[in-house]
Amino acid sequence: GAGVSQTPSNKVTEKGKYVELRCDPISGHTALYWYRQSLGQGPEFLIYFQGTGAADDSGLPNDRFFAVRPEGSVSTLKIQRTERGDSAVYLCASSLSTDGFTDTQYFGPGTRLTVL
Amino acid sequence: GQNIDQPTEMTATEGAIVQINCTYQTSGFNGLFWYQQHAGEAPTFLSYNVLDGLEEKGRFSSFLSRSKGYSYLLLKELQMKDSASYLCAVRDGGYSTLTFGKGTMLLVSP
Repeated sequence: GAGVSQTPSNKVTEKGKYVELRCDPISGHTALYWYRQSLGQGPEFLIYFQGTGAADDSGLPNDRFFAVRPEGSVSTLKIQRTERGDSAVYLCASSLSTDGFTDTQYFGPGTRLTVL
Repeated sequence: GQNIDQPTEMTATEGAIVQINCTYQTSGFNGLFWYQQHAGEAPTFLSYNVLDGLEEKGRFSSFLSRSKGYSYLLLKELQMKDSASYLCAVRDGGYSTLTFGKGTMLLVSP
């Protein structure tokens, strides 16, 4: 079956603009995660959804960042008033089990965001 | 919180064996993962350890010692396609999210 997909693959925007990044998880996966990866670094956790609700949003850097998953499948990460420091690859991952403790996260190819 | 350390870069020769170490300091622990990431691509799952000992999967093996806060990934019979970044990640005992190290860039030469 299909893996995790993310769109767009690349996004270039200007400082101060609003952007939306989309993630389509593996079918049937209830848990969905957003990470951010800067060059030469490992992925950094942003937010975790279990179904439709955000179970843990402690990684969101500030209130310019927001994510939704209204139907428990596709998720959108929204960034307001983008800053140059937001430039990174935004990775989405999904996992199967409802408790999230024992299963494996599968990653999408990421969206490379560049803020000019 | 978590602190995860792994070497920045390693080099090895095709056909050889290489061991990539990872040490961690955590307030909780519920498993350690290794991922492979080729440049510009998504991390792909390699292995998972939650109990002490060695997990073997083909050319790749992963070892965990919880008392020492230590893991390693062993790659045998290296191939050129194994050139990639290898990410060590720990799952905190209270959460399902992962905390990643910075990754070890492995370069396999002919």
